[in-house]
Amino acid sequence: SQQGEEDPQALSIQEGENATMNCSYKTSINNLQWYRQNSGRGLVHLILIRSNEREKHSGRLRVTLDTSKKSSSLLITASRAADTASYFCATGSAPGGSYIPTFGRGTSLIVHP
Amino acid sequence: DAGVTQSPTHLIKTRGQQVTLRCSPKSGHDTVSWYQQALGQGPQFIFQYYEEEERQRGNFPDRFSGHQFPNYSSELNVNALLLGDSALYLCASSLDRYNSPLHFGNGTRLTVT
Repeated sequence: SQQGEEDPQALSIQEGENATMNCSYKTSINNLQWYRQNSGRGLVHLILIRSNEREKHSGRLRVTLDTSKKSSSLLITASRAADTASYFCATGSAPGGSYIPTFGRGTSLIVHP
Repeated sequence: DAGVTQSPTHLIKTRGQQVTLRCSPKSGHDTVSWYQQALGQGPQFIFQYYEEEERQRGNFPDRFSGHQFPNYSSELNVNALLLGDSALYLCASSLDRYNSPLHFGNGTRLTVT
């Protein structure tokens, strides 16, 4: 299975602090994606990092990828209460040509105002 | 530009019944994937449709079936419902079936009693 596993399962911080969550996976990947899910709603794509990239930025988000350790991290800087959500990494394989993102259990982030 | 839309938003069914969930992909997207998300878990891949054919399937029994129409919209059918089928069912569309990010709808919350 290509399933990524996020760590920690839950994270509670104060507004303005940075939040870091990690993802580990088991086999080679084409890319790794991070998604956010607000309670009871659909997932929103945040960022995609390719296997030949080591770091990527998008606004207050910073993603790193270490393919030698099969791990990735998502850093949210200067967190806001609106960042409260579950965060998932998705890794995938491409059996028969179709890329199928596979999700872990996610990290539940609570940002206290 | 409408995103992915799913209907209905909530559904209550009895064990043994059958259910049909519907999804309209984001404009310009031709690939539709379905995921099941149990409470507190990450989304689990059910299957992917492209060009009106099931291209990939996850570890779900034959009670789960689907269809894609010429306008790229899709249906998920579940027969002989079990209590364990209670979950949030998410539809996601993408530009193609390779490395494109998934765009999710807000899901259908299915409760089986």
